[in-house]
Amino acid sequence: TQLLEQSPQFLSIQEGENLTVYCNSSSVFSSLQWYRQEPGEGPVLLVTVVTGGEVKKLKRLTFQFGDARKDSSLHITAAQPGDTGLYLCAGRTAGNKLTFGGGTRVLVKP
Amino acid sequence: GAVVSQHPSWVICKSGTSVKIECRSLDFQATTMFWYRQFPKQSLMLMATSNEGSKATYEQGVEKDKFLINHASLTLSTLTVTSAHPEDSSFYICSARRALETQYFGPGTRLLVL
Repeated sequence: TQLLEQSPQFLSIQEGENLTVYCNSSSVFSSLQWYRQEPGEGPVLLVTVVTGGEVKKLKRLTFQFGDARKDSSLHITAAQPGDTGLYLCAGRTAGNKLTFGGGTRVLVKP
Repeated sequence: GAVVSQHPSWVICKSGTSVKIECRSLDFQATTMFWYRQFPKQSLMLMATSNEGSKATYEQGVEKDKFLINHASLTLSTLTVTSAHPEDSSFYICSARRALETQYFGPGTRLLVL
């Protein structure tokens, strides 16, 4: 069982549709990060959320951190083929280690 | 953002040989570096944490004698997979961090053991 559970594991949508990825845990995190990873490359940081209830926007991406700092969501509006990739949430645990969720593979078809 | 490089980007080796992977922070000094392993269609799993000048801390289930980590300077950490076997084939990713700051990830090294 992973400390961070992501859902869904895979999402296939048409260009222009919206999507939401969820990241849930029973643990409280001091901060939570979202990454996107493309095949054969390392993950690239999208955003860090720190405060419970925080909402951050990055163009068409909206990130929310739960009030209790146990869960987060990533919402993409009007998805484009360039949004295709593996989305990973990661929480910082005791000992300042970054623990990753299982990942959500997103495919946006043109 | 900060840049972390890995070398080589991919390597193929015969079973039983050792392979060394380098991780460098190019524009900052990294007090801590991390090594992750990622199998196909899976997430990143932390293997070990290395602090400059001290021994690495390995995660449960990771053999320290098989995966040797050296963090000899503030800009370089190496991971040596000793006596590699086909089950060690994976995507190895390093990450570097200045004290309490954001972690930056390298581009990864794909290892294939025949």
